[in-house]
Amino acid sequence: EPEVTQTPSHQVTQMGQEVILHCVPISNHLYFYWYRQILGQKVEFLVSFYNNEISEKSEIFDDQFSVERPDGSNFTLKIRSTKLEDSAMYFCASSKDRGKETQYFGPGTRLLVL
Amino acid sequence: AQSVTQPDIHITVSEGASLELRCNYSYGATPYLFWYVQSPGQGLQLLLKYFSGDTLVQGIKGFEAEFKRSQSSFNLRKPSVHWSDAAEYFCAVGARSGNTPLVFGKGTRLSVIA
Repeated sequence: EPEVTQTPSHQVTQMGQEVILHCVPISNHLYFYWYRQILGQKVEFLVSFYNNEISEKSEIFDDQFSVERPDGSNFTLKIRSTKLEDSAMYFCASSKDRGKETQYFGPGTRLLVL
Repeated sequence: AQSVTQPDIHITVSEGASLELRCNYSYGATPYLFWYVQSPGQGLQLLLKYFSGDTLVQGIKGFEAEFKRSQSSFNLRKPSVHWSDAAEYFCAVGARSGNTPLVFGKGTRLSVIA
């Protein structure tokens, strides 16, 4: 069964450093998402992406964040200058379409900012 | 704004006992409803979803959930819990229009004892 993959599984970085989180969505999916889960809190939406552009973003997704689909398979989340509060589990998801189409989630990248 | 409430942070049940995890949502219309499960170190796996039709939906691993519009609830049930069901369970809602990020509850952690 096809699945969403994410790398790395864990990332430790120093405050102020840039990090790039990588995702490979399911191959025939058209919509891509990033969510995050701060330890002990709920999973929160960050951004959705379709047709090579952001289609929706939350208030969390400020100028420090960016997303890119550099080739036909990868979908990346970049945090330009990490802050302590960026420490979280970051999930990538993809879906064939929007609305009622199921979003399939990857295993997550646990980011720790020191 | 959409919101999801999972009133139980942590539930412990005995193996073989029945299980019900509660989920209440707030949304202006009938949403799409989902239950995801997250095992330690794993991503979010879809258990089941409700879009329309029969309000009792069957999912994987023997789980079912019932949509009750009058109570704005979508409780997850399983008649006989197995030790492998120990995990974190998340209820989520999605809107029926537009590019719809999911809104998650805070999750319920299920422990299973012998």
